[in-house]
Amino acid sequence: DGGITQSPKYLFRKEGQNVTLSCEQNLNHDAMYWYRQDPGQGLRLIYYSQIVNDFQKGDIAEGYSVSREKKESFPLTVTSAQKNPTAFYLCASSIRTGQNYGYTFGSGTRLTVV
Amino acid sequence: AQSVTQLGSHVSVSEGALVLLRCNYSSSVPPYLFWYVQYPNQGLQLLLKYTSAATLVKGINGFEAEFKKSETSFHLTKPSAHMSDAAEYFCAVSEKTSYDKVIFGPGTSLSVIP
Repeated sequence: DGGITQSPKYLFRKEGQNVTLSCEQNLNHDAMYWYRQDPGQGLRLIYYSQIVNDFQKGDIAEGYSVSREKKESFPLTVTSAQKNPTAFYLCASSIRTGQNYGYTFGSGTRLTVV
Repeated sequence: AQSVTQLGSHVSVSEGALVLLRCNYSSSVPPYLFWYVQYPNQGLQLLLKYTSAATLVKGINGFEAEFKKSETSFHLTKPSAHMSDAAEYFCAVSEKTSYDKVIFGPGTSLSVIP
């Protein structure tokens, strides 16, 4: 079955470390997104990519980086510059056909700073 | 600028009672509107979407929502709540001219009392 796979499900980061969250999709979707979810704040957009080798900053991109070398993959790196990285991270994808059919989400990665 | 408000961060209903989750949006152009559901420690799942066809939209799991332009509302309803409906519900909006920019509401947590 097609879908989005995020790994790992739980991740622990020490102070000063960079960590990378994986997001892979086999839906043949063009666009991919990273959201951060904090309790009571809904979802906030970190980065998004509409095509391979291109991506744009979202509303809270500081301290994060991404790459889009393959259509199927959109990894997110949480750098040491992100001062409060503890959160639930969600990856999503969508078709780009001139109409918004909604997003397909992965099951998320919960990142905790220790 | 677009925005989404969801009245009530927590809603409790009895099993078998009507479910009503409120969503109001602001958008300067005709919008796409969505409802997503999230179960604990999981990603979001699309319940239903409004894309300018019928104003009454039917979704999965017996949910439906009605687009009311005059009230800028897109409330989610279900005639009879089941225990399995307990989850977080998110309303979202995007502009038809910029469908990559999806704005999520803060979410409403639904509890179902036996």
